[in-house]
Amino acid sequence: GESVGLHLPTLSVQEGDNSIINCAYSNSASDYFIWYKQESGKGPQFIIDIRSNMDKRQGQRVTVLLNKTVKHLSLQIAATQPGDSAVYFCAERRGGSYIPTFGRGTSLIVHP
Amino acid sequence: GAVVSQHPSRVICKSGTSVKIECRSLDFQATTMFWYRQFPKKSLMLMATSNEGSKATYEQGVEKDKFLINHASLTLSTLTVTSAHPEDSSFYICSASTVDGYTFGSGTRLTVV
Repeated sequence: GESVGLHLPTLSVQEGDNSIINCAYSNSASDYFIWYKQESGKGPQFIIDIRSNMDKRQGQRVTVLLNKTVKHLSLQIAATQPGDSAVYFCAERRGGSYIPTFGRGTSLIVHP
Repeated sequence: GAVVSQHPSRVICKSGTSVKIECRSLDFQATTMFWYRQFPKKSLMLMATSNEGSKATYEQGVEKDKFLINHASLTLSTLTVTSAHPEDSSFYICSASTVDGYTFGSGTRLTVV
């Protein structure tokens, strides 16, 4: 069935490097995408979102890119810090629905 | 921003007993809340959608008689795990729909012994 999935289950980077976390989605009807950060034993925290009428959105140290042609979403974290170590989930919301669907998650490990 | 408070954060219960988890929206009214279950190193699995004043909508495969959801007010939704078994041990997370998207509670680690 249609789903949201992630390419890499684990990503290890050095402190100060830029990180890129990828997400693929298969439902062309999805119109809203969200990235969440989840630290161990805690609930997900909103990082950034993007609507399907945009292809790029920037926040503080984070950028989300949306490529609707290949149904691909990415989260870029600049100057990654040890505090960025967590699991990152992408979520999609399909047009006409108010329920988000979560991808598998990528564990980001930042080495000092 | 919108804050969702979830309690308890951890609970250990004996097999056969029931456990109630509360999810409160602190500074906004949550017409819709979502309950998720998360296994270690896995994604969030939607269990049910809770709507204030009406019955919850359960996802396929989720036993409504085992996971009782009540959303009696615009600021409180509860999930009760009835007759808990060790296989119900998991991390349960609630979420509320807001004008800015979705806000999550801090989760409840349930251990059934």
